[in-house]
Amino acid sequence: AQSVSQHNHHVILSEAASLELGCNYSYGGTVNLFWYVQYPGQHLQLLLKYFSGDPLVKGIKGFEAEFIKSKFSFNLRKPSVQWSDTAEYFCAVTYNQGGKLIFGQGTELSVKP
Amino acid sequence: DTAVSQTPKYLVTQMGNDKSIKCEQNLGHDTMYWYKQDSKKFLKIMFSYNNKELIINETVPNRFSPKSPDKAHLNLHINSLELGDSAVYFCASSRQGTVHEQYFGPGTRLTVT
Repeated sequence: AQSVSQHNHHVILSEAASLELGCNYSYGGTVNLFWYVQYPGQHLQLLLKYFSGDPLVKGIKGFEAEFIKSKFSFNLRKPSVQWSDTAEYFCAVTYNQGGKLIFGQGTELSVKP
Repeated sequence: DTAVSQTPKYLVTQMGNDKSIKCEQNLGHDTMYWYKQDSKKFLKIMFSYNNKELIINETVPNRFSPKSPDKAHLNLHINSLELGDSAVYFCASSRQGTVHEQYFGPGTRLTVT
């Protein structure tokens, strides 16, 4: 079945620490990959996306993600987190340009000032 | 200038009741979605409408009935509410053919007692 898994349920970091959130998707053909962020009390927002081309994708607020096809992964990274990055992060995928986003279960990131 | 709005934001009701959640988008999008986020933050699509026509209908109890009076609105009506319906329900919209560029509403937290 088409699915997305995020390995980290809750990550706690101090400011300036580096971040990597794992995301793996099941095989199912051509994929488009996304990271969404949900800040406390706010709605989901698109952080970055991958369709094709350079597997290293840069998004807003200094985030980047790398698509590794052989590992079915699309991990999210940030070299130095800030307190304002505290949020819930969701990895998502569409298969074969299909009509629906399939989300992972989310990773809660808490950044200590 | 809210792009995707939902009402109400919070809804507390008793088992067996019928309730509706409204969604409106002012982005001129053709496609609208309903998602359910359970207590474990897992976000799953329920329905998708394109130009008022149902295009995605996941395995959802038929107590849930979406209604799209026009392409700017997609309401969710739930009959005979059950405890397991307690969740946060998100509405989203996108331009036709851009399923990934979804704009989400703020969510409606439904609590069934």
